[in-house]
Amino acid sequence: DGGITQSPKYLFRKEGQNVTLSCEQNLNHDAMYWYRQDPGQGLRLIYYSQIVNDFQKGDIAEGYSVSREKKESFPLTVTSAQKNPTAFYLCASTQGGVNNYGYTFGSGTRLTVV
Amino acid sequence: AQSVAQPEDQVNVAEGNPLTVKCTYSVSGNPYLFWYVQYPNRGLQFLLKYITGDNLVKGSYGFEAEFNKSQTSFHLKKPSALVSDSALYFCAVRSNTNAGKSTFGDGTTLTVKP
Repeated sequence: DGGITQSPKYLFRKEGQNVTLSCEQNLNHDAMYWYRQDPGQGLRLIYYSQIVNDFQKGDIAEGYSVSREKKESFPLTVTSAQKNPTAFYLCASTQGGVNNYGYTFGSGTRLTVV
Repeated sequence: AQSVAQPEDQVNVAEGNPLTVKCTYSVSGNPYLFWYVQYPNRGLQFLLKYITGDNLVKGSYGFEAEFNKSQTSFHLKKPSALVSDSALYFCAVRSNTNAGKSTFGDGTTLTVKP
């Protein structure tokens, strides 16, 4: 079955550590997105990529970094510069361009700072 | 710029009664509108979309939504609610001139009581 796989499901980070969240899709989608979800605040866009080797900052990119070396993969690194990283992180993908008719989401990664 | 408002944080209905979850939007150009549902600790699932054509759109699990251009609204409806419909619902919009990211509302928690 085609879909998006996020791993791990739960992740714990110590203060000052960088951690990387994985997102892989086998839908042959061009565009991929990372959102952060906090209680009562809906989804906020961190980074997005519409094509391999290219990505753009979203609304809350500070303290995060991404890469898009392969069409299938869009990993997100939460750096030590992100002061409040505890949240639920969602990866999504869609057909690129004008055929963007809705997202397919992964099951999410819950990151907790300990 | 594009934005979405979901004016109700919480909607409570009795099982068997009709339900409505409200959404209004602002966008330059023509809107593409979406509804997603999220169950606890899961990613978002696509419910339905409006791209063009008939203003009444039917989607998964018996949900439908009505596009109203003059009121810039896209309310989600279901004629007879089920307890299993209890979840968090998100409305999203993007402009037909924007091939990239969608903007999400803050979400509405629907609770259906037996």
